[in-house]
Formats: sequence, structure tokens, C-alpha cells
Amino acid sequence: GENVEQHPSTLSVQEGDSAVIKCTYSDSASNYFPWYKQELGKGPQLIIDIRSNVGEKKDQRIAVTLNKTAKHFSLHITETQPEDSAVYFCAASARSGNTPLVFGKGTRLSVIA
Amino acid sequence: ETGVTQSPTHLIKTRGQQVTLRCSSQSGHNTVSWYQQALGQGPQFIFQYYREEENGRGNFPPRFSGLQFPNYSSELNVNALELDDSALYLCASSLDTGSYEQYFGPGTRLTVT
Repeated sequence: GENVEQHPSTLSVQEGDSAVIKCTYSDSASNYFPWYKQELGKGPQLIIDIRSNVGEKKDQRIAVTLNKTAKHFSLHITETQPEDSAVYFCAASARSGNTPLVFGKGTRLSVIA
Repeated sequence: ETGVTQSPTHLIKTRGQQVTLRCSSQSGHNTVSWYQQALGQGPQFIFQYYREEENGRGNFPPRFSGLQFPNYSSELNVNALELDDSALYLCASSLDTGSYEQYFGPGTRLTVT
């Protein structure tokens, strides 16, 4: 089955700097790669996703890149703000619908003001 | 539009007891997936329900069972609770079984003593 590795486990950046979180996946059939942000005491919030037919997607300060050949994808946050502090999870799934999301172990991002 | 809601927020049970957790899917969504998130880990897929039928199951024992109702709300039942069942239980809904995006509720924190 699918296995998703996520690095780093913790990341501290100064406010205004960029943050990059990387994930690798094992199943070449995976075609959907979402990123979730989880704040303390809350459920994961979908912040951006990418499908295997594109290499990059951007939404304001957040971007995701996908390298299907190398089986890795990354989350890039620019101009970080204290409210970006949270745990971020990457996930992968093959096909849609009833194929479950397989999550990485998460990255705790701290943005220092 | 109403998001995914879960009840109760917190629950404390004793080893060997049974528990029922509830989830209301986002308005218009007919597919519900349940995940278990242990402390410091990413969510792990338990099972999915679509049109009141189980539509995929992860590596969880039969004492984890579920239901989906005609209004698409869902229940997760766990029998013979074990200490390792202590976790955050997350419900995620999607538009239908063919949809990629899954939206999570706030979770139910279960503590087994």
C-alpha cells in the first residue's frame, strides 16, 4: 500500500521568511496530493491540493509542487506570518473517492515574530 | 453552508466499555470517512460510508464498526475499548465517492483509562 514520508518534523522560521515542507510517496498510482493545516484542538483544514496532471499550483502565499518521476511533492509558504504556526500534513491517494488518504506524520511549523 | 460537525467533543471511557461517536456531513455531501489520529501522528483511515454502505476499510479490527443514515450522517462504534484506542477521531465528508476533496470535522477526543 501507499506510504508517505514527510520532512522535517519540526520547522522554525522568522516571520516574513519562507517555509518548505517536503513529502515523498511510494505508490506510483497516487494521483491526488492534498495539504492540510491543523491548529491546536481543531480538525485538519484543507489548504491546497494538486492532482497528478499538473506540476505546480499556487494560491496567494501558498504553493505546491509535484514531481511525479521522483514521487515527491512540496508545500511552499512565502512571507510567513505568526498565524501560519500549526501542524501541516501532506497526504496522497490513488484514484478518487473510496481510496483513502494516506497521511504523512506532520510538520510542526513555528513562525517567530 | 454547514461544515462537518462531530459530537461529543471529548469523551472518557474505561477499558472494555463501548463508545459511539457521531458525525454530520457537510451540506450536500453523501460520503463520510472516519480516521483515527493518535497523538503526534497523521490521521489513519478506519472506513468510509457511501449511501449507507461501507465502501472501504483500513487496517482496523471488527470491533470498529459504523453506520450511515439516510441523511448521510454517520456513527462510529468501538466495542471492547483498549487503552490504545485513546486518540482523536476525525470524520471527513466529500461530495460523493468520486470526489477527491475531503473536509474534516473538529474531531472527538477519546480517552480510555
